Amino acid sequence: DAKTTQPNSMESNEEEPVHLPCNHSTISGTDYIHWYRQLPSQGPEYVIHGLTSNVNNRMASLAIAEDRKSSTLILHRATLRDAAVYYCILRDYNQGAQKLVFGQGTRLTINP
Amino acid sequence: NAGVTQTPKFRVLKTGQSMTLLCAQDMNHEYMYWYRQDPGMGLRLIHYSVGEGTTAKGEVPDGYNVSRLKKQNFLLGLESAAPSQTSVYFCASSYPRSNSPLHFGNGTRLTVT
Repeated sequence: DAKTTQPNSMESNEEEPVHLPCNHSTISGTDYIHWYRQLPSQGPEYVIHGLTSNVNNRMASLAIAEDRKSSTLILHRATLRDAAVYYCILRDYNQGAQKLVFGQGTRLTINP
Repeated sequence: NAGVTQTPKFRVLKTGQSMTLLCAQDMNHEYMYWYRQDPGMGLRLIHYSVGEGTTAKGEVPDGYNVSRLKKQNFLLGLESAAPSQTSVYFCASSYPRSNSPLHFGNGTRLTVT
């Protein structure tokens, strides 16, 4: 199964952009890249997903490398409420639900 | 539209006791999942279901059983609780499409003494 690799932790300052990297060197052609975040004492929440092209939504942007072996979640202007653990996972319909494995994610700290 | 609702929110069990965790979703999702999260760790998939009447094992299924008698409900059972099952349990649901996001509940915090 294709797996993802993320840094254990990152730190940034409030109102600055944050770039959260994810490596997925064994990604298959039908894998979608999903990002979730988990605020303290809550369940994970969906942030964004993409297949090949870069994606934007109200929460964040997702930049996908041309070879799709890595991606970057971009928070354009971090706030204290963005402090969370961010998970990058791959989802492939052909592999079914057993492929939805979450690693340890990246713990993002935002300094005021 | 409540999304994914988990009951109970908290529970303390003695070793050997049994209990059932209930997950209910009102989004008509085909897929449902049970994860556990230990302190400082990521989520590990226990069991999942791709439709009413079907279940399958995930990464860490031992000690747990599940049932999906109705599309909207997914039950996780512990027949004989052990301290190693102390964890936070999250339920999620989704459509089966690869571009469909997972929707999570707020978790059940279980302590086994």
